[in-house]
Amino acid sequence: EDQVTQSPEALRLQEGESSSLNCSYTVSGLRGLFWYRQDPGKGPEFLFTLYSAGEEKEKERLKATLTKKESFLHITAPKPEDSATYLCAVSRGVSNYKLTFGKGTLLTVNP
Amino acid sequence: EAGVAQSPRYKIIEKRQSVAFWCNPISGHATLYWYQQILGQGPKLLIQFQNNGVVDDSQLPKDRFSAERLKGVDSTLKIQPAKLEDSAVYLCASSLDYPDTQYFGPGTRLTVL
Repeated sequence: EDQVTQSPEALRLQEGESSSLNCSYTVSGLRGLFWYRQDPGKGPEFLFTLYSAGEEKEKERLKATLTKKESFLHITAPKPEDSATYLCAVSRGVSNYKLTFGKGTLLTVNP
Repeated sequence: EAGVAQSPRYKIIEKRQSVAFWCNPISGHATLYWYQQILGQGPKLLIQFQNNGVVDDSQLPKDRFSAERLKGVDSTLKIQPAKLEDSAVYLCASSLDYPDTQYFGPGTRLTVL
């Protein structure tokens, strides 16, 4: 069974204090690893897809990286508007590509 | 481009009542998904449609949940009868084709009393 574990469960940062979120996964035949952002009362918003170990993608203050067992979401000089829950999900390459999500990391950035 | 639309946004019902949720995916998206997100958890896939057909419903509690997608566009998810543990946010997502990126709607928050 596919498993996704995110850590920490919650993270508080001061504005400008860089940090990383972790996503560890166990999946047979990874097709893709996805990062989403979810604001309170809203649906998840797509951020990145990573397909192979060593791949990196960037968007504004966010950078996602992938190894064979985990992914990191690096947040550089965060702002209060980066506060949200960040969800990691994996899909297989040999089934119906359904997403298996982790529980998420709640990020709070204080001004 | 319009996103995934869902209605209602909120619903409160008594246990053993029935409820239905509606989803309109992004125009042209062939694949539609329904997820259940319990507070503090990540979304869990309930059912996946490819056009009109069901691709995966392995985690759908079929004794009380049903879903349909008529004409390969809109979809409805129904719960009958509802239980207390069905309290959750029900998310609809769509993708151009699988395994493309899934785009989510705002969700329907269901409270069962």
